[in-house]
Amino acid sequence: DTAVSQTPKYLVTQMGNDKSIKCEQNLGHDTMYWYKQDSKKFLKIMFSYNNKELIINETVPNRFSPKSPDKAHLNLHINSLELGDSAVYFCASSPYRGNENSPLHFGNGTRLTVT
Amino acid sequence: AQTVTQSQPEMSVQEAETVTLSCTYDTSESDYYLFWYKQPPSRQMILVIRQEAYKQQNATENRFSVNFQKAAKSFSLKISDSQLGDAAMYFCAYRRGREYGNKLVFGAGTILRVKS
Repeated sequence: DTAVSQTPKYLVTQMGNDKSIKCEQNLGHDTMYWYKQDSKKFLKIMFSYNNKELIINETVPNRFSPKSPDKAHLNLHINSLELGDSAVYFCASSPYRGNENSPLHFGNGTRLTVT
Repeated sequence: AQTVTQSQPEMSVQEAETVTLSCTYDTSESDYYLFWYKQPPSRQMILVIRQEAYKQQNATENRFSVNFQKAAKSFSLKISDSQLGDAAMYFCAYRRGREYGNKLVFGAGTILRVKS
């Protein structure tokens, strides 16, 4: 009964391919996020959705397209993968209408390797 | 822009000793929230402790406590009686308000090594 689950855990693919990472949360949260952790471990937000509506888009290349079919799911599709896309991608969720003191709950990450 | 600075890329501590990890942040907002997350080699992101900016009292969670100095914009983490399981990357994070999507802005992290 993992709270925030993302699949796959590892993804190895070649440049130019298109791939998707799926994320689901069973916490009843309204808001979901995608973060990217680069090779230096720096974590940076990419997107945030609240009840299926995009609320944050942090100047991410348009090769990255998040899709939220419902508030429990936020998938990340990446087109024309590049070497620089290699990173760990984290999905997270939090209550939106709740206290901002509520922490983000993170998934276990997807390590994407582009060769 | 809101930034979070962790000036110590790496720290070491002897088992059972105390260590303090530094964090400073820059903001013009008056109401915000601060967090420390731990990332062990398993790469899970685990919440360690949280602090509301409007509270003057420093947060404490068992062996973990913070020294929150709002005027100085400082939010350091103290780990007492360090254990081998505390070895991990520690991230300080600043959370913006609802109008900014409640997003977390992270520092660059501090690697904590625990020596036996």
